[in-house]
Amino acid sequence: ETGVTQTPRHLVMGMTNKKSLKCEQHLGHNAMYWYKQSAKKPLELMFVYSLEERVENNSVPSRFSPECPNSSHLFLHLHTLQPEDSALYLCASSQLRGSPLHFGNGTRLTVT
Amino acid sequence: GNSVTQMEGPVTLSEEAFLTINCTYTATGYPSLFWYVQYPGEGLQLLLKATKADDKGSNKGFEATYRKETTSFHLEKGSVQVSDSAVYFCALSEGGYNKLIFGAGTRLAVHP
Repeated sequence: ETGVTQTPRHLVMGMTNKKSLKCEQHLGHNAMYWYKQSAKKPLELMFVYSLEERVENNSVPSRFSPECPNSSHLFLHLHTLQPEDSALYLCASSQLRGSPLHFGNGTRLTVT
Repeated sequence: GNSVTQMEGPVTLSEEAFLTINCTYTATGYPSLFWYVQYPGEGLQLLLKATKADDKGSNKGFEATYRKETTSFHLEKGSVQVSDSAVYFCALSEGGYNKLIFGAGTRLAVHP
């Protein structure tokens, strides 16, 4: 039990599909993050939510749409993705100011 | 901007060998520094951290010292085990909402 739960673990979707990734944290943290992990590339920070407000969007294409309805839940809505979006998507949470991030096990996304 | 540079892998060692994985950083201010580990099929787990110069983080036999003069945070372990085989990420935190900047990761393979 990592304290951060991501579903689904694996997702295969066509380029015209719409799907959502879900993340839930049970640690009482007040910041949540989406990272993208692609083969042979450093982890890329996509979005940061602090106290349910989006505080960072790292030039992510609009086909990725985050949602943070409360401090325990984070979603990533996906639509009209490209094959190069295939990757491991990691959710994380933390307290603010220098505390470590706690990661979920990720969703392995394949876009066909 | 801030960045983290790690030695390229893979690093291949025999069991009980000494491990060093180099990490250097570029940052304005005084970031916290972290090592994370990722086992196959899992998300990242915090291994150790240091929050100020000359701090030594340690956990499970791994150690790293925050060296401001050389802007380094090298990971060491005196005697590795097969179970230490994983990908290791060096990271620094910046910003009030604890944004992490990761290195590219170093894969470690330990053989019996």
